[in-house]
Amino acid sequence: EDQVTQSPEALRLQEGESSSLNCSYTVSGLRGLFWYRQDPGKGPEFLFTLYSAGEEKEKERLKATLTKKESFLHITAPKPEDSATYLCAVITGSNYKLTFGKGTLLTVNP
Amino acid sequence: GAVVSQHPSRVICKSGTSVKIECRSLDFQATTMFWYRQFPKQSLMLMATSNEGSKATYEQGVEKDKFLINHASLTLSTLTVTSAHPEDSSFYICSARDLGALTDTQYFGPGTRLTVL
Repeated sequence: EDQVTQSPEALRLQEGESSSLNCSYTVSGLRGLFWYRQDPGKGPEFLFTLYSAGEEKEKERLKATLTKKESFLHITAPKPEDSATYLCAVITGSNYKLTFGKGTLLTVNP
Repeated sequence: GAVVSQHPSRVICKSGTSVKIECRSLDFQATTMFWYRQFPKQSLMLMATSNEGSKATYEQGVEKDKFLINHASLTLSTLTVTSAHPEDSSFYICSARDLGALTDTQYFGPGTRLTVL
């Protein structure tokens, strides 16, 4: 059974304090790994798709990386508006079904 | 691009009534849409896969007669919660995969908050 584990469950940062979120996965044949951001009471907002080990994607203060066992979401000099739950998900089969981790709740204090 | 809408955003109904939720892909076509539910402080749980022009595929433990799914066009899928009860109260979210895209990315709607009294 595919498993996706995110750590930490919650993270508090001061504005400008860079850090990383982790997503480790145990799957049979990774087809793609996805990062989403979810604000309270809203649907997930797409951030990145990664397909192969060594791949990196960047968007503003966020950078996602992928190895054969895990993915990291690096947040550089975060701002309070980066506060949200960050979700990691994988697709392993041809049916495009996403398996989600439980998410990391990020709080950035001004 | 890649915008998915849901309607309504919030609905409150009495126990025993049915509620229909619409999911639309606004600027792309989607042969496959997905329905999730999310309980407070929990992650998304896939309920079913909606395929245009064919029957939906339900995840284990999801009652197909209670959660009716119709995917009548390449831009619209509907979820009907039949004979709703308080335990059906939840946040329902749909997603869609862009048929014309080269990626497997799914784009999510804003969600529908269902409260059953």
